[in-house]
Amino acid sequence: ILNVEQSPQSLHVQEGDSTNFTCSFPSSNFYALHWYRWETAKSPEALFVMTLNGDEKKKGRISATLNTKEGYSYLYIKGSQPEDSATYLCASKNTGNQFYFGTGTSLTVIP
Amino acid sequence: DSGVTQTPKHLITATGQRVTLRCSPRSGDLSVYWYQQSLDQGLQFLIQYYNGEERAKGNILERFSAQQFPDLHSELNLSSLELGDSALYFCASSPTGLSSGNTIYFGEGSWLTVV
Repeated sequence: ILNVEQSPQSLHVQEGDSTNFTCSFPSSNFYALHWYRWETAKSPEALFVMTLNGDEKKKGRISATLNTKEGYSYLYIKGSQPEDSATYLCASKNTGNQFYFGTGTSLTVIP
Repeated sequence: DSGVTQTPKHLITATGQRVTLRCSPRSGDLSVYWYQQSLDQGLQFLIQYYNGEERAKGNILERFSAQQFPDLHSELNLSSLELGDSALYFCASSPTGLSSGNTIYFGEGSWLTVV
């Protein structure tokens, strides 16, 4: 793939449900994969930066995995809460220092 | 290709100078956002325009200004440049910007190096 792709584009889940979404990126010249939590007109909050194949990162109820060979990363949220509602962006950084952003997955957690 | 075009891709300038970064949003997108990605601070929101009007302001310095023109393209003006302004400046666009959870499309960024 040439672009960074995220799926699904949007997601509605009930409070307490666990959920996950996907980021696909070009595996050639890969350097790092960034996940951000983004609320409109605010600075995206950096969640994770992963560089090595097999990396797993965790922050509270949110975790992420990285597969650089096949070019994908998963973001998991366990026990979703309304405050988790946001757009989750991923960005792939290549060895040329270029960032390529996905279009985000919009998560709405229904109380 | 996200459809968001930024120029120039790279720029080197001296301290004290003024530069203008240009962004053409995706066709039909009314909202334009500017972000600064520096090495030590991550992605910082600077300012948002919606259909020509300023919608939201973030960590934008007084030396910086932006505008969105009637054809919806936007310019970010950086003046009295300092070494610390060296960063990658991203423009992003989205269809509306009126609610959270918008799909957002980022340009490839403009690398600014101040020497």
